[in-house]
Amino acid sequence: AQKITQTQPGMFVQEKEAVTLDCTYDTSDPSYGLFWYKQPSSGEMIFLIYQGSYDQQNATEGRYSLNFQKARKSANLVISASQLGDSAMYFCAMRGILYNFNKFYFGSGTKLNVKP
Amino acid sequence: EAQVTQNPRYLITVTGKKLTVTCSQNMNHEYMSWYRQDPGLGLRQIYYSMNVEVTDKGDVPEGYKVSRKEKRNFPLILESPSPNQTSLYFCASSLTQGYGTGELFFGEGSRLTVL
Repeated sequence: AQKITQTQPGMFVQEKEAVTLDCTYDTSDPSYGLFWYKQPSSGEMIFLIYQGSYDQQNATEGRYSLNFQKARKSANLVISASQLGDSAMYFCAMRGILYNFNKFYFGSGTKLNVKP
Repeated sequence: EAQVTQNPRYLITVTGKKLTVTCSQNMNHEYMSWYRQDPGLGLRQIYYSMNVEVTDKGDVPEGYKVSRKEKRNFPLILESPSPNQTSLYFCASSLTQGYGTGELFFGEGSRLTVL
C-alpha cells in the first residue's frame, strides 16, 4: 500500500528560527521519489524539493532541506531561518519510480504559521 | 512561460448540471492528472493520463470523466455534479517516467461549489 502520513495538522514557529515538518511514508515500490509542496493562502501549489530513494545525500534547496531516513521511512522538511512568507500549508508527496509512477500520493498537510 | 492553465477558476453550480473544467499545458508533457483537495484529506488523485487517448482511474474517480484527445489538453467532466463534489480541483502535468524528477506542475486550481 502507498501512503503518506503527516501527523502535524498545524505548527507555529518564531520568525528566524528553524522548523521541521514531519512526513512518513509507506510504499511497495523499491524505487520512489519524495516531494514537498507549499500552498500559500492564495491556493497555488509550489514545488519545493525532491528526494529520490536512491540518493545518497539529503536534498537541499536554499533554506529548505529534506531529512531523509530511509530505514525509518521518513522524509521530514526542514526550513531554516523561517520568514513570514513561509506561512502556508505544506504537503509531503510520493511517487513510485518503478511500479507506481502513474499514482501520486499526498499527505493531509501541515499548516505552518510563522510568528513575528 | 511554462504553465498549466485551468478554467474556470471559480464556479458555483447546481446539482445535476453538467460541467467541464478545462486544463491545458504548454510544456509538451505526456503525463497529466486531476486532483481534488478537501480539508484534512490533502490532495487525492481522480484520473490520470499517460498520453493521448490513454487514461486511467486514480483513487477517487466516481462521478468524474476525462478525455485526452490532444496532448496539451485534459478536461475534467462532471456529468451530474452532486454537493459532495464541492472541492478545490487541481490539474497537473509532468514529464514521463524516466525523465527528470517527476515533479508535478500544477494549475492554479478551480474552486467548485455544487448547491
